[in-house]
Amino acid sequence: DIQMTQSPSTLSASVGDRVTITCRASQSINNYLAWYQQKPGKAPKLLIYKASSLESGVPSRFSGSGSGTEFTLTISSLQPDDSATYYCQQYNSYWTFGQGTKVEIK
Amino acid sequence: QLQLQESGPGLVKPSETLSLTCTVSGGSISSSSYYWGWIRQPPGKGLEWIGSMYYSGSTYYNPSLKSRVTISVDTSKNQFSLRLTSVTAADTAVYYCARGSGSYKFWGQGTLVTVSS
Repeated sequence: DIQMTQSPSTLSASVGDRVTITCRASQSINNYLAWYQQKPGKAPKLLIYKASSLESGVPSRFSGSGSGTEFTLTISSLQPDDSATYYCQQYNSYWTFGQGTKVEIK
Repeated sequence: QLQLQESGPGLVKPSETLSLTCTVSGGSISSSSYYWGWIRQPPGKGLEWIGSMYYSGSTYYNPSLKSRVTISVDTSKNQFSLRLTSVTAADTAVYYCARGSGSYKFWGQGTLVTVSS
């Protein structure tokens, strides 16, 4: 089984800050890595697929990078609407989610 | 626009079988190259992949749940279903159905299933 480890679990940042979330896979996942945003009471929303491809309609302040086993989601300028929990997910071998990172606005 | 809607009992007794259906509208469940999946989220916790079915009918299950899970499809109704047997309180969660080509772009709104006597 492929394990996905996200860090940090929680982060607090100010509007306009650059925010980075890291996701580490227990083995290479060939860039089959997605990022989701989830707000309370809502289904997850796909932000990034194939590690760095921005889903249609997602603001360009979101970006994904990385390869092999280390991946990052970056929000270039944090906005109030970005307050949410973010999950990574590998789909190279079955599917596995990271444990989530809660982003709070200071 | 593709839409997915979960349906099924909101309360299931321990040791019984949880059965949910996902009804797909705005697209065919037989569309090529897509996975149809079930994901759950216990209250206050993270997302857990339960299982997925490829359009061809192949199924893939989370190893930790494999002995209890079955995903099936009814193409005539444009629906796919989840069966989870021998449930316990640990199976209490919001259950989502979703579609994607690896990553999941389209999700249902989710349905809360509580396991309790």
